[in-house]
Amino acid sequence: RKEVEQDPGPFNVPEGATVAFNCTYSNSASQSFFWYRQDCRKEPKLLMSVYSSGNEDGRFTAQLNRASQYISLLIRDSKLSDSATYLCVVRMEYGNKLVFGAGTILRVKS
Amino acid sequence: DVKVTQSSRYLVKRTGEKVFLECVQDMDHENMFWYRQDPGLGLRLIYFSYDVKMKEKGDIPEGYSVSREKKERFSLILESASTNQTSMYLCASSTDRAYEQYFGPGTRLTVT
Repeated sequence: RKEVEQDPGPFNVPEGATVAFNCTYSNSASQSFFWYRQDCRKEPKLLMSVYSSGNEDGRFTAQLNRASQYISLLIRDSKLSDSATYLCVVRMEYGNKLVFGAGTILRVKS
Repeated sequence: DVKVTQSSRYLVKRTGEKVFLECVQDMDHENMFWYRQDPGLGLRLIYFSYDVKMKEKGDIPEGYSVSREKKERFSLILESASTNQTSMYLCASSTDRAYEQYFGPGTRLTVT
């Protein structure tokens, strides 16, 4: 079983739509959680951290459910520029090592 | 602005060749990482380093070695390249105080 699992997609949505991605992780001792974004042929970049209480950054909302061991990312009012691969990332119980999911592809179309 | 640079964007090597991939970061980060990224598998950690001359194996170290002689530079070495090492290689760095990793632009290596 993979440590971090994501639906690979692609999710094809029209501009203005709301889209949500989920991610599950296997290690209950995981400490920190993140969403990274990776544009086509580019390197991954941090989109946002995920806090236990949930957090929002503009059109993006991230939530963590420790009991069920899943993380979600909600994007409201999708823009063409949101088209990318979204990587769910988990930090294990110690150290600076991150574990990356394989990513979910989002395509926003006009 | 954090900058992580990698020596080549594209590289083509023959089976059996020794390959060096270099990574340099300019933010005095303690930690450096080497990943490979393959379709459907995501990023997989090859090796990482918490300090100069220190290295730790990641999840898939077989066939690779690393060198960190200076804080800003982390090299990945393929002693004898094989076709199954054809991949995108990404270097990253981070500080001890935060977990965000900053990535270089990647090197697409093809072994023929």
